[in-house]
Amino acid sequence: DIQMTQSPSSMSVSLGDTVTITCRASQDVGIYVNWFQQKPGKSPRRMIYRATNLADGVPSRFSGSRSGSDYSLTISSLESEDVADYHCLQYDEYPPTFGGGTKLELK
Amino acid sequence: QVQLKESGPGLVQPSQTLSLTCTVSGFSLTSNSVHWVRQPPGKGLEWVGAIWSGGSTDYNSALKSRLSISRDTSKSQVFLKMNSLQTEDTAIYFCTRSTGGPPGVMDAWGQGASVTVSS
Repeated sequence: DIQMTQSPSSMSVSLGDTVTITCRASQDVGIYVNWFQQKPGKSPRRMIYRATNLADGVPSRFSGSRSGSDYSLTISSLESEDVADYHCLQYDEYPPTFGGGTKLELK
Repeated sequence: QVQLKESGPGLVQPSQTLSLTCTVSGFSLTSNSVHWVRQPPGKGLEWVGAIWSGGSTDYNSALKSRLSISRDTSKSQVFLKMNSLQTEDTAIYFCTRSTGGPPGVMDAWGQGASVTVSS
């Protein structure tokens, strides 16, 4: 199975920060990476699909990028509503595999 | 409006069988796939399995011997059955939709069904 190594596992952030979360794929997964936001007690919400595409209704301060086997989610000018857990997913090869998750916490 | 809703028992005894239902609306099961994803308490997401638009299935290899996913297209329902439950199967179980074309993979999710395996 393809491993998605997500870092950091947690991050202490301040409002207005630019935050970057990264997933490294153990083998080539092309553009087939999604990013999800999950708030406590809620289901995941897709934020980015196919590595760089903003999902419907997602604020433009969110962006996705790829450099080789590294995939990043960047939140520019962090707002309070962005404090949540974030998960990456690769679906180039089955089984789909998730990263371990990143928890954003306010300082 | 695309919606998915999981239902099932909250508590299952060890060694027993879990049965969950995902009832969908706003889309057809014959042109979309439905995946099950689970999340143990305080942990990350794990893909459980999927049923494709044509009715074929794929399962997480670690769960395959205990798992069955099926559907009733006339009722817009997808079913998950997992036998020989263990405490490690305690998790929130989500169903999520995927489409071959836009909008793509896991674009909509149910609210989740909490399952506790305990005697």
